[in-house]
Amino acid sequence: TQLLEQSPQFLSIQEGENLTVYCNSSSVFSSLQWYRQEPGEGPVLLVTVVTGGEVKKLKRLTFQFGDARKDSSLHITAAQPGDTGLYLCAGLDSNYQLIWGAGTKLIIKP
Amino acid sequence: KAGVTQTPRYLIKTRGQQVTLSCSPISGHRSVSWYQQTPGQGLQFLFEYFSETQRNKGNFPGRFSGRQFSNSRSEMNVSTLELGDSALYLCASSSKWTGGSSYGYTFGSGTRLTVV
Repeated sequence: TQLLEQSPQFLSIQEGENLTVYCNSSSVFSSLQWYRQEPGEGPVLLVTVVTGGEVKKLKRLTFQFGDARKDSSLHITAAQPGDTGLYLCAGLDSNYQLIWGAGTKLIIKP
Repeated sequence: KAGVTQTPRYLIKTRGQQVTLSCSPISGHRSVSWYQQTPGQGLQFLFEYFSETQRNKGNFPGRFSGRQFSNSRSEMNVSTLELGDSALYLCASSSKWTGGSSYGYTFGSGTRLTVV
């Protein structure tokens, strides 16, 4: 069974701090997606990374795909209360299955 | 462009009943996937339809079924409901089926099903 492990599971920090969320696997993925989900809503796609070593920036969010395409990280600079939510990663494996992480629940306190 | 529309938003059913959930994808999207989300299990893949054909199926019992119509709208049916079926059911659409795309999904807001 393929697993995509996200860490930490839960993170509560003050507004203005920086944070990093990790998504790790022993499997290779052809691409990896990051989503943010707010309570009572569906996940919203933030970014897709495809190339090993790729770095994508979305305002204060920086996404990196590992060189071996087995892991990814999401770094948030100067977190704001609006960043609060459940962050999910999902990797597309060699069988064209989308493997989902369990998510990181992030709370940014004003 | 209208988003993914799921109806109804909330549903309360009694154990043993059956339920049908509906999903209208983004116009032009031919792939529709269904997920079950619970606090304990996270997002669990149910099935994916592309051009009216089921392309992928998750590890759920036969009580869970789905179909896709020629206009790409999809329905999901759960028969003989159990308490453990209480969850947020999410529909996601994409322009290509999962194996052919790394574009990602657009999700609907979900249907919150409560089985009592």
